[in-house]
Amino acid sequence: QSALTQPASVSGSPGQSITISCTGTSSDIAYYNYVSWYQQHPGKAPKLMIYDVSSRPSGVSNRFSGSKSGYTASLTISGLQAEDEADYYCGSYTSNSTVIFGGGTKLTVL
Amino acid sequence: EVQLVESGGGLVQPGGSLRLSCAASGFTFSSNAMSWVRQAPGKGLEWVSGISGSGGSTKYADSVRGRFTMSRDNSKNTLYLQMNSLRGEDTAVYYCAKGAGHYVVYHMDVWGKGTTVTVSS
Repeated sequence: QSALTQPASVSGSPGQSITISCTGTSSDIAYYNYVSWYQQHPGKAPKLMIYDVSSRPSGVSNRFSGSKSGYTASLTISGLQAEDEADYYCGSYTSNSTVIFGGGTKLTVL
Repeated sequence: EVQLVESGGGLVQPGGSLRLSCAASGFTFSSNAMSWVRQAPGKGLEWVSGISGSGGSTKYADSVRGRFTMSRDNSKNTLYLQMNSLRGEDTAVYYCAKGAGHYVVYHMDVWGKGTTVTVSS
């Protein structure tokens, strides 16, 4: 099963909003509402930011939001801050009862 | 506080074996499915395997099926990954991660800091 498709990089200025897309198939994103998003700073472990398409874990800023339409899920970060600069990965539960990740998107805050 | 601490990584020759461990604390370990996720140097995340809370059901990525075996000892709050027939492409940081459900992992809400496995002669 191939990885979910994410853009390699996105960028934005402080205070702006950015959106990262994540495209899958009928066996993962399109079929299940189990899309998650992870933030990873260099040399650190990933951190869960969004689960079940649009739910935020306790402690995650409400500047982070998620959505899904058809085969594509999206992560939106509003009011960009310098500390948001990191790699972001989407993930989805699959029809094989496994998890699949996207290739990752590097967010640069200009 | 929920904590996951991996151990057992190191340098191993191609064809060799290694067993990773993950010590869990701060939650009812047997209530949650668990996963191993790896990240090769400079690359993205790759889901490796998952196990149900009871340990009765396991799933593997195609890249490791038949070579890796995931297990758990709920009496010791410990997760394991037995890795055999190791290849260079298995070189990665291996993360232990807590799933949000009991039977399967839909997403991973807590991650360990990882342990590094290097396969090289």
